[in-house]
Amino acid sequence: EDQVTQSPEALRLQEGESSSLNCSYTVSGLRGLFWYRQDPGKGPEFLFTLYSAGEEKEKERLKATLTKKESFLHITAPKPEDSATYLCAVQANSNDYKLSFGAGTTVTVRA
Amino acid sequence: ETGVTQTPRHLVMGMTNKKSLKCEQHLGHNAMYWYKQSAKKPLELMFVYSLEERVENNSVPSRFSPECPNSSHLFLHLHTLQPEDSALYLCASSQELASYTGELFFGEGSRLTVL
Repeated sequence: EDQVTQSPEALRLQEGESSSLNCSYTVSGLRGLFWYRQDPGKGPEFLFTLYSAGEEKEKERLKATLTKKESFLHITAPKPEDSATYLCAVQANSNDYKLSFGAGTTVTVRA
Repeated sequence: ETGVTQTPRHLVMGMTNKKSLKCEQHLGHNAMYWYKQSAKKPLELMFVYSLEERVENNSVPSRFSPECPNSSHLFLHLHTLQPEDSALYLCASSQELASYTGELFFGEGSRLTVL
């Protein structure tokens, strides 16, 4: 069974204080690893897809990286508007549509 | 309207009530999903439809009954629920069922409280 573990559960940052979120996964043949952002009271919003170890994707202050066992979401010089819950999910080669999600990391950025 | 719209946004019901959640997508997508999100737990996939045909029923209790009358609309009919069913119910859609990008478009969810 596919497993996704995210750490830490919560992260409090000062504005401008860079940090990283971790997503460890176990899957029988990775088809893709995905990052989503979820604001309070809203549905998740897609950020990135990573397909193979060594791949990196960037969007504004966010950078996602992938190894064979984990993915990191780096937040560089965060701003208060980066406060959200960040969700990681994986999809196995053997499954056409099912994403297995982690419980998320809630990031709070103080001004 | 654009994107994925869910109604109602909030619902309180007793254990003997019958209610329905509605989802509508305006993206022209062919696949639609119901997910359950409980506090501090991962999203749980409940049902998947592709071109109005159910392709997944992830061991969901029969007190939850999905309906997909067309590729733009998805319903979740609720009856005789339990307090542990209280959660955020999210609807999502994707271009195709086998979406290689993993990009799902979510609605804002329906917050359900069962008394």
